[in-house]
Amino acid sequence: DAGVIQSPRHEVTEMGQEVTLRCKPISGHDYLFWYRQTMMRGLELLIYFNNNVPIDDSGMPEDRFSAKMPNASFSTLKIQPSEPRDSAVYFCASSPDPKYQETQYFGPGTRLLVL
Amino acid sequence: QKEVEQNSGPLSVPEGAIASLNCTYSDRGSQSFFWYRQYSGKSPELIMSIYSNGDKEDGRFTAQLNKASQYVSLLIRDSQPSDSATYLCAVIRGGFQKLVFGTGTRLLVSP
Repeated sequence: DAGVIQSPRHEVTEMGQEVTLRCKPISGHDYLFWYRQTMMRGLELLIYFNNNVPIDDSGMPEDRFSAKMPNASFSTLKIQPSEPRDSAVYFCASSPDPKYQETQYFGPGTRLLVL
Repeated sequence: QKEVEQNSGPLSVPEGAIASLNCTYSDRGSQSFFWYRQYSGKSPELIMSIYSNGDKEDGRFTAQLNKASQYVSLLIRDSQPSDSATYLCAVIRGGFQKLVFGTGTRLLVSP
């Protein structure tokens, strides 16, 4: 198993630029999660999908953030325009079943720095 | 008040000692509790879950839950340098199905 794949692993961009983070969940997993981790706020759930449908996006910080899951094997998290306060590590995770709290598999993360 | 609170540490213990990590939560309706371990620069991995009051043991790890005090802890016996990591407490709030994480406690085990 390849595990959850995220790209890019590191991203440095300038304020105002569009940033797109990508995630490929583990094959067969019906749940996909996007998290953001900072020193100040810890690990926060931004949005999660079930069978490609967004279920809860209450953690998305503002309209500059959007997420899509066009098919079972691909999801994107987009920030437009980016701001320095968006600098964080963004994790994608997937899970195979409704008891997903115990079975989440995290990707390696994308470290984003907005200058 | 944060929903899940942890002391950021670092907590320093010598090799072979017991490390005690603590977490408090604010929502009395919380039902499920988890401990994740995160090595520097890596992603979190689940190490323990606990749902009812009392202790749950798994190898060198023991999770303890006290719902009346809204307190959950993780004990690591015979601590090893390889246990040095950040430990994240996570809670599922009553009525919701998403995890809420604390900011983590950094543990340092010295040889």
